[in-house]
Amino acid sequence: KNEVEQSPQNLTAQEGEFITINCSYSVGISALHWLQQHPGGGIVSLFMLSSGKKKHGRLIATINIQEKHSSLHITASHPRDSAVYICAVYQGDYGGSQGNLIFGKGTKLSVKP
Amino acid sequence: DAGVIQSPRHEVTEMGQEVTLRCKPISGHNSLFWYRQTMMRGLELLIYFNNNVPIDDSGMPEDRFSAKMPNASFSTLKIQPSEPRDSAVYFCASSLFLGGYEQYFGPGTRLTVT
Repeated sequence: KNEVEQSPQNLTAQEGEFITINCSYSVGISALHWLQQHPGGGIVSLFMLSSGKKKHGRLIATINIQEKHSSLHITASHPRDSAVYICAVYQGDYGGSQGNLIFGKGTKLSVKP
Repeated sequence: DAGVIQSPRHEVTEMGQEVTLRCKPISGHNSLFWYRQTMMRGLELLIYFNNNVPIDDSGMPEDRFSAKMPNASFSTLKIQPSEPRDSAVYFCASSLFLGGYEQYFGPGTRLTVT
């Protein structure tokens, strides 16, 4: 079993829909990252969370440390949101001396006009 | 800042040849990471450095792979000899520090070994 599981693997939505991507993990963590990878291949960091909720534009990320679960929401989705969204967790002490992130397999989102 | 710079962007080589991938991290970042991405395995961490020192190379698949960081602004990942199964996209990323900080990724090098 992978330590970081994402669902769904693939998601197709109509423009304007509210989208939720889920990430569950089985290890203790101090930080969780959401990354976006566009069809061109570039990877961009969207959020880093250790608790609660963060919002940036139409993107909202939440994390429940007790339930070992995080969600990424996209409101009013747009075709330009089409990308692969990757969840990654950090097990070490935040700000400590380790660097390993454990990655999920990603969720491929396609938003149709 | 120009972001993380990688070269070349694409590399096609024949099996058995030496391949060198290059990375320039963001100025001021103390940590540098090399990743490999394939369809089958997703993103895998190969090795990471802190203050130019290799910290963990347990992700390097074989002795054919080696990485160096001679100074704070340059790192290389070398594969010698290359094999077709090494075909993948190789990403370099940098962050201010270790410890779960946000990582900034380069555009990647797409390697094809025939």
